[in-house]
Amino acid sequence: ETGVTQSPTHLIKTRGQQVTLRCSSQSGHNTVSWYQQALGQGPQFIFQYYREEENGRGNFPPRFSGLQFPNYSSELNVNALELDDSALYLCASSLQLALEQYFGPGTRLTVT
Amino acid sequence: LAKTTQPISMDSYEGQEVNITCSHNNIATNDYITWYQQFPSQGPRFIIQGYKTKVTNEVASLFIPADRKSSTLSLPRVSLSDTAVYYCLVGEVDSSYKLIFGSGTRLLVRP
Repeated sequence: ETGVTQSPTHLIKTRGQQVTLRCSSQSGHNTVSWYQQALGQGPQFIFQYYREEENGRGNFPPRFSGLQFPNYSSELNVNALELDDSALYLCASSLQLALEQYFGPGTRLTVT
Repeated sequence: LAKTTQPISMDSYEGQEVNITCSHNNIATNDYITWYQQFPSQGPRFIIQGYKTKVTNEVASLFIPADRKSSTLSLPRVSLSDTAVYYCLVGEVDSSYKLIFGSGTRLLVRP
């Protein structure tokens, strides 16, 4: 059984640029959630995808968008990057809608 | 939305039992209590989940009193590798099942 994988591991972008982060869910999981974790803080919920549809969104602006594909992998897109977007971005998958979620190792994004 | 309150940090020694208590005074009827563990530069890892009374698995026990306004995560005989941040979460009642993390408890296990 393959766990949740994310790519890339690290990324450095300039303010104003756009970025796409990718996540492959654990085998058999049809729900993917994205979280942002700033240094020293707990993860903050961005949004969730269930069977390719957005199923809940946290307090993040529209420049944070996402997709889920038929194989349940997912992308997180962030436009017009700001310095405060620098964080660890975590993807979590689960079987159906569940509180037991399996997290990937994250993508460390640095915006300069 | 049920907010959780837990100690910022705790210290322990190898071999001891560690109990981390979380307060969630506004927990709703349909909410479950879930605990996650996170090591530096890694994603959180699910530890245990419960609704009431006691739940035990191979890693930890979760004690929830009848009023459900608090819960205690118990880690038996901790080792150095249990040094991590532990998050107490109360599940959303809506259909999105988003996890709402607080600041967590930083547990340091000393030799």
